[in-house]
Amino acid sequence: QVQLQESGPGLVKPSQTLSLTCTVSGGSISSGDYYWSWIRQPPGKGLEWIGYIYYSGSTYYNPSLKSRVTISVDTSKNQFSLKLSSVTAADTAVYYCARLSRDGYNLDYWGQGTLVTVSS
Amino acid sequence: SYELTQPSSVSVSPGQTARITCSGDVLAKKYARWFQQKPGQAPVLVIYKDSERPSGIPERFSGSSSGTTVTLTISGAQVEDEADYYCYSAADNINVVFGGGTKLTVL
Repeated sequence: QVQLQESGPGLVKPSQTLSLTCTVSGGSISSGDYYWSWIRQPPGKGLEWIGYIYYSGSTYYNPSLKSRVTISVDTSKNQFSLKLSSVTAADTAVYYCARLSRDGYNLDYWGQGTLVTVSS
Repeated sequence: SYELTQPSSVSVSPGQTARITCSGDVLAKKYARWFQQKPGQAPVLVIYKDSERPSGIPERFSGSSSGTTVTLTISGAQVEDEADYYCYSAADNINVVFGGGTKLTVL
């Protein structure tokens, strides 16, 4: 059974960089069948796709966030990471990592999510 | 930009059929998927490719498509089905677009 687990600081100051890591267990991140995704959900609001990465390092970002987002992968640790720069209160959200199948674009496994609050 | 529109809420009594719609021009060309989100839990995929059901998802969950609208149907809704439901699609085979979500109340 594939499991994903987000980790990182729960509090980030405005203008700083938010950094999160997703650790994948029960499956290899180097599988060519999947993209590895980040999605967020502000409190009481809907979901927003941030972007995803392939094990080779190819990335695809939401155009609305592209200038501030970097997603990277570490296949040796079976992890992928998110960096979001110049954060504001509007970036306060639950951040999820998820697996996205290349064949079908199915978000079939998700992490539990981690709340990141942007506040001084 | 691509947009998917869902009703904000749907209410049914236990045992009734719940229908949740998702509309958007992209759905005329791309498949929709649905997932269920309960408070404090990870989302769960319940429908993919408009109408396919992943293993382990009860048969009462079904999906259909017509033009630019897809529908998630829960036949004989149960109290445990109360949750938020989101549709999404992969516009341009790159960008993932989510609907705004529908809160299903079963009481």
